[in-house]
Amino acid sequence: SAVISQKPSRDICQRGTSLTIQCQVDSQVTMMFWYRQQPGQSLTLIATANQGSEATYESGFVIDKFPISRPNLTFSTLTVSNMSPEDSSIYLCSVHRGVGNTEAFFGQGTRLTVV
Amino acid sequence: QQPVQSPQAVILREGEDAVINCSSSKALYSVHWYRQKHGEAPVFLMILLKGGEQKGHEKISASFNEKKQQSSLYLTASQLSYSGTYFCGTGEQSGGSNYKLTFGKGTLLTVNP
Repeated sequence: SAVISQKPSRDICQRGTSLTIQCQVDSQVTMMFWYRQQPGQSLTLIATANQGSEATYESGFVIDKFPISRPNLTFSTLTVSNMSPEDSSIYLCSVHRGVGNTEAFFGQGTRLTVV
Repeated sequence: QQPVQSPQAVILREGEDAVINCSSSKALYSVHWYRQKHGEAPVFLMILLKGGEQKGHEKISASFNEKKQQSSLYLTASQLSYSGTYFCGTGEQSGGSNYKLTFGKGTLLTVNP
């Protein structure tokens, strides 16, 4: 299994500001995934972060709004930029065990409220 | 494309059984099942990788019918600890040997004493 440490666990932010969420994994992984989950809703993939290359964004998500860093094989950050109340959500990072189609592990999530 | 889960919600009494279905309009190569309790991260239950495969986890098992493009999760003799939201996720290759998951909307399962 993988242990994922994500922080902050929650934050309340003013609109127009930015928040950076950190995700630390206890082992080296090729891919790290960032999801958004609105209360009571499904998990929506924002982007996939591969070390040494630009993140791959899903439809509806853009780099200017959600810049991602992946400086090494155990760490990634997601920034939510120029926030609006619509960005209020839970953001989760995730990794897969091993390479290929394997089980996913999730961080505890960051509960973001934009006021 | 997001898989479709049914039912959206189900309420059981302890000891009763339930079935949660997951279907896709696209060809399925694998199906993942996760359970998420309120305020917690999703937790992996099982992966089904082959057509017709069945797997089990405690008293929870699942089947995968590749031809019908659907999977079902079976919860037998439910326990209070089974309460939570169940998500199916369909695996899709995203470059090289890497995969990404697309999750269904979830099924809220409530087990009452």
